[in-house]
Amino acid sequence: DAGVTQSPTHLIKTRGQQVTLRCSPKSGHDTVSWYQQALGQGPQFIFQYYEEEERQRGNFPDRFSGHQFPNYSSELNVNALLLGDSALYLCASSFGTSPRGYTFGSGTRLTVV
Amino acid sequence: EDQVTQSPEALRLQEGESSSLNCSYTVSGLRGLFWYRQDPGKGPEFLFTLYSAGEEKEKERLKATLTKKESFLHITAPKPEDSATYLCAVLDNNDMRFGAGTRLTVKP
Repeated sequence: DAGVTQSPTHLIKTRGQQVTLRCSPKSGHDTVSWYQQALGQGPQFIFQYYEEEERQRGNFPDRFSGHQFPNYSSELNVNALLLGDSALYLCASSFGTSPRGYTFGSGTRLTVV
Repeated sequence: EDQVTQSPEALRLQEGESSSLNCSYTVSGLRGLFWYRQDPGKGPEFLFTLYSAGEEKEKERLKATLTKKESFLHITAPKPEDSATYLCAVLDNNDMRFGAGTRLTVKP
């Protein structure tokens, strides 16, 4: 049973460019959350998608946007990249509103130069 | 503002030397407290969920406890393979908020 799959694993972009990260949730999960983790820090909540709608959003600018598809997979888009956007981007999946532990993917390491 | 604070930031132990990690939190509507283990370059791996004060969970050498304001992760007789960053998170409504983690190193 595949867990959470993220692609790509590594990415290098130039300041000002746009990037799209992808996530396939664990089988049976319908909710996807995205997190940004800077080096040496805990993950910071970006937003959560459920039933193809953004259900909740953390303190991130509108340059960060997302989408959830009917098969529950999700994309994270970041526009006008800044050097400070360099981080590990984690996708986590869960089932509905159940307060159980999320299953995380291994992340996408984004470097902005 | 809701906060999750973990201490210490880093902990170095000798193999077999037991210790505890702390997670203190202030949230308006706690729906669960979670402990994760994160290895370098990997995503967090779920360990425990605690829902109410007084609850305890155990898994191998790890034991998590919860009070109204903090949680402890007790590590008994740790081994080098327990070396990792341990993250605490609280679920406040639909928003899981993480602490900065404790980086644990266990030396043989």
